[in-house]
Amino acid sequence: DIVMTQSPDSLAVSLGERATINCKSSQSVLYNSNNKSYLAWYQQKPGQPPKLLIYWASTRDSGVPDRFSGSGSGTDFTLTISSLHAEDVAVYYCQQYYSNSPYTFGQGTKLEIK
Amino acid sequence: QVQLQESGPGLVKPSETLSLTCSVFGDSISSGTHYWSWSRRPAGKGLEWIGRVYSSGATNYNPSLEGRVTISVDTSKNQFSLRLNSVTAADTAIYYCARDRNLAAGGKVFDPWGQGTLVTVSS
Repeated sequence: DIVMTQSPDSLAVSLGERATINCKSSQSVLYNSNNKSYLAWYQQKPGQPPKLLIYWASTRDSGVPDRFSGSGSGTDFTLTISSLHAEDVAVYYCQQYYSNSPYTFGQGTKLEIK
Repeated sequence: QVQLQESGPGLVKPSETLSLTCSVFGDSISSGTHYWSWSRRPAGKGLEWIGRVYSSGATNYNPSLEGRVTISVDTSKNQFSLRLNSVTAADTAIYYCARDRNLAAGGKVFDPWGQGTLVTVSS
């Protein structure tokens, strides 16, 4: 299995400040033939299902605010919220879709307001 | 707008079989465009992918659950189902169904997801 490890496990940030979440994969999820990293980020608010935010490590899904950005390649990735809004309180997960044996998620990072 | 909805018993006894169904609205499983997946989130833990099914009935499962899990499809009802046998307390979780949305260049991501259904394993 490709193990996904997120850091930190929890994070408290003031409104308007930057939040940064890291994700590391146990092996590269970069597909050399197309130079794309098969890495997605999801947001899960309390009582709701996960919502896709970012795929290909850095492509925002339709309708996702531009304060959310993803970066990284290979094995190391970052999700950044440039200016925290109250509605961003959630658990964030990274997920690799490089291998379906099996697809794997990080353990989640809980983001709260300081 | 594509929507998915899980249904099934919320309480299952230890050693018995968990059975859930996902109804799909706004997309057709029989079109063969997407795979359809089940995942779960145990209380206090992260997400775990269980497996997926294609319109033909072809499946892929998480090796950690293989041998206990069966995912099937009913294209006439536009539904797919999960069966997990010999359940224990460790299988208590919120279970989600989702569409494996195709991306250009061959990737697939989970979008959208159903609201999820809590299944508790207890006598």
